[in-house]
Amino acid sequence: DTGVSQDPRHKITKRGQNVTFRCDPISEHNRLYWYRQTLGQGPEFLTYFQNEAQLEKSRLLSDRFSAERPKGSFSTLEIQRTEQGDSAMYLCASSQSGSSREQYFGPGTRLTVT
Amino acid sequence: GENVEQHPSTLSVQEGDSAVIKCTYSDSASNYFPWYKQELGKRPQLIIDIRSNVGEKKDQRIAVTLNKTAKHFSLHITETQPEDSAVYFCAASKGYDMRFGAGTRLTVKP
Repeated sequence: DTGVSQDPRHKITKRGQNVTFRCDPISEHNRLYWYRQTLGQGPEFLTYFQNEAQLEKSRLLSDRFSAERPKGSFSTLEIQRTEQGDSAMYLCASSQSGSSREQYFGPGTRLTVT
Repeated sequence: GENVEQHPSTLSVQEGDSAVIKCTYSDSASNYFPWYKQELGKRPQLIIDIRSNVGEKKDQRIAVTLNKTAKHFSLHITETQPEDSAVYFCAASKGYDMRFGAGTRLTVKP
């Protein structure tokens, strides 16, 4: 499968626990994005990497959220001390710098905080 | 920052009719406007996009128009089919920063 993959697809956790999600972008893509999508809404930008550098973080990304892309390939998004309001679909997308600006989305990780 | 508004939130059409979804954006520096289709439980997929130096783009039954002066853009789907039923999102982007509309749930009735 040459598309963007995310793991796990579903995660149920109790409030206060930490969770980590993984995203594997399309192999030749150097740009990676994280979004959060709640029911009935469009994806909301969280953060962006170009290669291994995190170039932008949305104000949505509180200090409980951290993202890494250590070798410029896969990325992880960690949420510490989860809250019920963190329940959402977390989408990863990737793109290649150049003339095409299309972002290819992964299937998402659905997080439920109980 | 950029604010994207999308209308209508729901749209129901008869098979074979046309569907039009409209979006407005606030940041005149936005220069890339993609449209994504998201079927239930699936990932968003790009269906068409337009850049700010183009006024209209067409791909088979799908077309997008852009009015930079008014800061609005529209998606037109002609000869709709039941498989067009999905949620459609518009977005506006400058650089890597992409902001999405809230989505339009399109239902095509056979």
